[in-house]
Amino acid sequence: AQSVAQPEDQVNVAEGNPLTVKCTYSVSGNPYLFWYVQYPNRGLQFLLKYITGDNLVKGSYGFEAEFNKSQTSFHLKKPSALVSDSALYFCAVVLSSGSARQLTFGSGTQLTVLP
Amino acid sequence: NAGVTQTPKFQVLKTGQSMTLQCAQDMNHNSMYWYRQDPGMGLRLIYYSASEGTTDKGEVPNGYNVSRLNKREFSLRLESAAPSQTSVYFCASSAYWTSGGQETQYFGPGTRLLVL
Repeated sequence: AQSVAQPEDQVNVAEGNPLTVKCTYSVSGNPYLFWYVQYPNRGLQFLLKYITGDNLVKGSYGFEAEFNKSQTSFHLKKPSALVSDSALYFCAVVLSSGSARQLTFGSGTQLTVLP
Repeated sequence: NAGVTQTPKFQVLKTGQSMTLQCAQDMNHNSMYWYRQDPGMGLRLIYYSASEGTTDKGEVPNGYNVSRLNKREFSLRLESAAPSQTSVYFCASSAYWTSGGQETQYFGPGTRLLVL
């Protein structure tokens, strides 16, 4: 069974500092990995995904994530945080083989960027 | 282009009542999904429809039914609501149910359901 872990429920960072939101996954095959962001009272918005190729993936709003197969991680990063980045972030995984194609989500990390 | 829309935005039900959550997408997507979001648990898949005319159970289907009315619309029905179904429900769609699962899913704004 596939699973995703976001070890930090809450991450606080000062505006202008780099931010990292952690994600680790467990699958028995090759994963497709996604990051979504949820602003208050809104649906999830797609940020970026890793399918294959370059391990460093660049996405929306200046975010990027690095796929690390040996550490089974897909951490979300941004060089300089903005107050407007404050939101709930979800990592998700799909197993690239098999019939279900179901996204499995982590429990979410609340990011707060302090002015 | 509205993307994925959901109605209602908020609903209060009494235990045992029934209701249908509506979802529509205008992106000509083939696949649609229903999730529930509970605190500290991320999103869990209730049902999905890989293409028009097909539906399948997800991780937590008990107590729910779905109908893929046409390519645009995918409804979720609670026949006899229970307090455990208090949650935020999200509909999503993606272009294809491909052989790779690569397709990005696009989410609606959600329906907040309270069952008393």
